[in-house]
Amino acid sequence: GDSVTQMEGPVTLSEEAFLTINCTYTATGYPSLFWYVQYPGEGLQLLLKATKADDKGSNKGFEATYRKETTSFHLEKGSVQVSDSAVYFCALSDAYTGNQFYFGTGTSLTVIP
Amino acid sequence: EAEVAQSPRYKITEKSQAVAFWCDPISGHATLYWYRQILGQGPELLVQFQDESVVDDSQLPKDRFSAERLKGVDSTLKIQPAELGDSAMYLCASSSPGLAGAGELFFGEGSRLTVL
Repeated sequence: GDSVTQMEGPVTLSEEAFLTINCTYTATGYPSLFWYVQYPGEGLQLLLKATKADDKGSNKGFEATYRKETTSFHLEKGSVQVSDSAVYFCALSDAYTGNQFYFGTGTSLTVIP
Repeated sequence: EAEVAQSPRYKITEKSQAVAFWCDPISGHATLYWYRQILGQGPELLVQFQDESVVDDSQLPKDRFSAERLKGVDSTLKIQPAELGDSAMYLCASSSPGLAGAGELFFGEGSRLTVL
């Protein structure tokens, strides 16, 4: 079945450091891929998405490229800020399975000044 | 900006009691999801509705959980009786799939349940 595997945390970085959070997926069809972010005490909110191979999603300085050949959707940011401290979830949705969403276990990021 | 509304935000109950959560999705969103998120883990789907019909409830513990979306708009998730292991955040989300594939999920702020 469909699934998402993402890098385990927690991750602690200094401000302005480079961030990579790895995400790989298994899917039956041709899924859409997403990164969601969850700030403390809040629900999940969409950070970025890509709907087909080689698409790059970007938002707030974060980027992720849909790589079909490596079944990956790694999240990157060149210079993290304290305000980026949150939990990041990789997810996929596959029309083949009725648009059900599958989430990774989440990666907690803490950015220290 | 349209939002998914959930209530209550917090609920503390004793085991064996009944609890209910309510969700009002973004207007026009036909697909509604209930997820359970245990602390430190990712959301796990409990039930997915398309309009008023259940699309997937394979992970819903049907001996104690029930969900309905009678008019295809708002939805209620009920637990009876609650058990200690039900302590979690219950997230509602809605979506409107587009021509390009799955639309994004819009989440509410969640209902945090503590069972004592």
